[in-house]
Amino acid sequence: GESVGLHLPTLSVQEGDNSIINCAYSNSASDYFIWYKQESGKGPQFIIDIRSNMDKRQGQRVTVLLNKTVKHLSLQIAATQPGDSAVYFCADGISGGYNKLIFGAGTRLAVHP
Amino acid sequence: NAGVMQNPRHLVRRRGQEARLRCSPMKGHSHVYWYRQLPEEGLKFMVYLQKENIIDESGMPKERFSAEFPKEGPSILRIQQVVRGDSAAYFCASSPGRDRGIYGYTFGSGTRLTVV
Repeated sequence: GESVGLHLPTLSVQEGDNSIINCAYSNSASDYFIWYKQESGKGPQFIIDIRSNMDKRQGQRVTVLLNKTVKHLSLQIAATQPGDSAVYFCADGISGGYNKLIFGAGTRLAVHP
Repeated sequence: NAGVMQNPRHLVRRRGQEARLRCSPMKGHSHVYWYRQLPEEGLKFMVYLQKENIIDESGMPKERFSAEFPKEGPSILRIQQVVRGDSAAYFCASSPGRDRGIYGYTFGSGTRLTVV
């Protein structure tokens, strides 16, 4: 069945370092991907998205890379800050009116001073 | 412009009781989605509703769970005869409309259900 999975359940980084969180997906029909940040006790917060006609998209301190050949995407956070500590989820969906997102299990990012 | 509002934030129920979770979508959003999150896991889709219509309930358990989104008022996720395995965080999301569906998702802060 469809699945979106994460390579690393926990990632510990030093403040100021760059962080890379990876995600694999299995549905070759997926053409839209979103990264969410979830802080403790809160709902998922949109970070950045990417459509399958792109292989890279940049935001403020974040970059998402999409490799459709191996069905893999990654989230890069530059100059990681303590406020970046959270659980990060990738999610995939199919555009064109389809409304359901498939979430991965998540990666916990711990930023140490 | 308030976001997606969910209440209560925390709900404790004894086994066998009913749980009612409410979700008011963002202003201008007519589509509501419910997701369930077990501890240390990702969110799992349950149901997608528009006003007075259930569009996709493929993620809803066959028994005890129901959802509605009436013409007036919030969307309700109802769990009858709760069991310990229902303990989870339940998140609601809303979006502006079908053509924008997943592009316009906004999540609420969730309701944390604990069954004792």
